[in-house]
Amino acid sequence: AQSVTQLGSHVSVSEGALVLLRCNYSSSVPPYLFWYVQYPNQGLQLLLKYTTGATLVKGINGFEAEFKKSETSFHLTKPSAHMSDAAEYFCAGMDSNYQLIWGAGTKLIIKP
Amino acid sequence: ETGVTQTPRHLVMGMTNKKSLKCEQHLGHNAMYWYKQSAKKPLELMFVYSLEERVENNSVPSRFSPECPNSSHLFLHLHTLQPEDSALYLCASSLGQGGNGYTFGSGTRLTVV
Repeated sequence: AQSVTQLGSHVSVSEGALVLLRCNYSSSVPPYLFWYVQYPNQGLQLLLKYTTGATLVKGINGFEAEFKKSETSFHLTKPSAHMSDAAEYFCAGMDSNYQLIWGAGTKLIIKP
Repeated sequence: ETGVTQTPRHLVMGMTNKKSLKCEQHLGHNAMYWYKQSAKKPLELMFVYSLEERVENNSVPSRFSPECPNSSHLFLHLHTLQPEDSALYLCASSLGQGGNGYTFGSGTRLTVV
């Protein structure tokens, strides 16, 4: 079955530290990959997407992700965490029927 | 404001009530979606409309009834719900197959009492 797996339901980092949120996808998921962010009491907002072309994708709010086909990964990073980054982050891949397969989400906690 | 507007933001209803959730987008998108988001569960796709025709119904109970009168509006009609239906209901829209991503509304927080 096609799947998108996010490692860690919660990730805690100190303000100013590197943020790394992990996402792996099953190889049957075509390389349309997305990261979304959800702030409390809000809907989901597209952070960045990979469709074709450059494997390092830059998104909003200083986030970026690298598509690594050999590792079937699409990890999300940010060099320096800010308190405003506290939210839940969802990785998603688009299957051959153009439906989104969602990861379970990772809550990012920022320690002052 | 994301471009997809959902109303109401919060809704409390009894199990015998009938209510409707509304979603509106003026982004020129031609596909719209209803998702259910429950605590500690993955996002669940409920319904997909493409060009105003329903193309997906993920075995959703009949107490949920969608309606898409035009490409800008989407409704979710609710009747005789159960407490386990309490959740955040999210509407999204996309252009074409959604390869450039979906735009989500802020959701309706539904509580069934």
